[in-house]
Amino acid sequence: RKEVEQDPGPFNVPEGATVAFNCTYSNSASQSFFWYRQDCRKEPKLLMSVYSSGNEDGRFTAQLNRASQYISLLIRDSKLSDSATYLCVVNKGYSSASKIIFGSGTRLSIRP
Amino acid sequence: GAVVSQHPSWVICKSGTSVKIECRSLDFQATTMFWYRQFPKQSLMLMATSNEGSKATYEQGVEKDKFLINHASLTLSTLTVTSAHPEDSSFYICSARGSSGRFQETQYFGPGTRLLVL
Repeated sequence: RKEVEQDPGPFNVPEGATVAFNCTYSNSASQSFFWYRQDCRKEPKLLMSVYSSGNEDGRFTAQLNRASQYISLLIRDSKLSDSATYLCVVNKGYSSASKIIFGSGTRLSIRP
Repeated sequence: GAVVSQHPSWVICKSGTSVKIECRSLDFQATTMFWYRQFPKQSLMLMATSNEGSKATYEQGVEKDKFLINHASLTLSTLTVTSAHPEDSSFYICSARGSSGRFQETQYFGPGTRLLVL
């Protein structure tokens, strides 16, 4: 079983739709969680951190459920520019010994 | 703005030659740098982790004699692909993590280097 699992998609939704991605992780000792976005032929870029209390940044909402070891990302009012691959990232361990594990990514395509 | 740079952004070389890729942290001291490889339509694969001043730790299946990593300063790490072959053609991405503030929480990625070996 992979340490971080994501639905690979692709998700193909119309502009303006709401779309949700899920991610599960296997190591209960994981410490911190992130969503990254990767555009085609580009490097991953940090989208947002994920906290147990949930956090929102504009149209993006991230949630963490430690008991279920589950992370989600919700995108509201999707734009064409949201088309990308979304990577679920889990940081396990502490400080310099910590290791970041990437999910394989979920592809999102927004159509006009 | 960018906090991690990579050079070169792309390189084409003949089979058998060696290629050096540089990764620099621009706004912070990178105590740890990571090297990834990504093949088309696949996820990032961690190759190795390097801490400044010490030997890199390679992931299983990555040949340390083929992929030489040097992290001699807190702002620079280099990856040298020795005797490159066509199967080494890939997108190589570095990332860096600092020891304080926001730079400690996660990794910041360089823009990547596309390597094509003919």
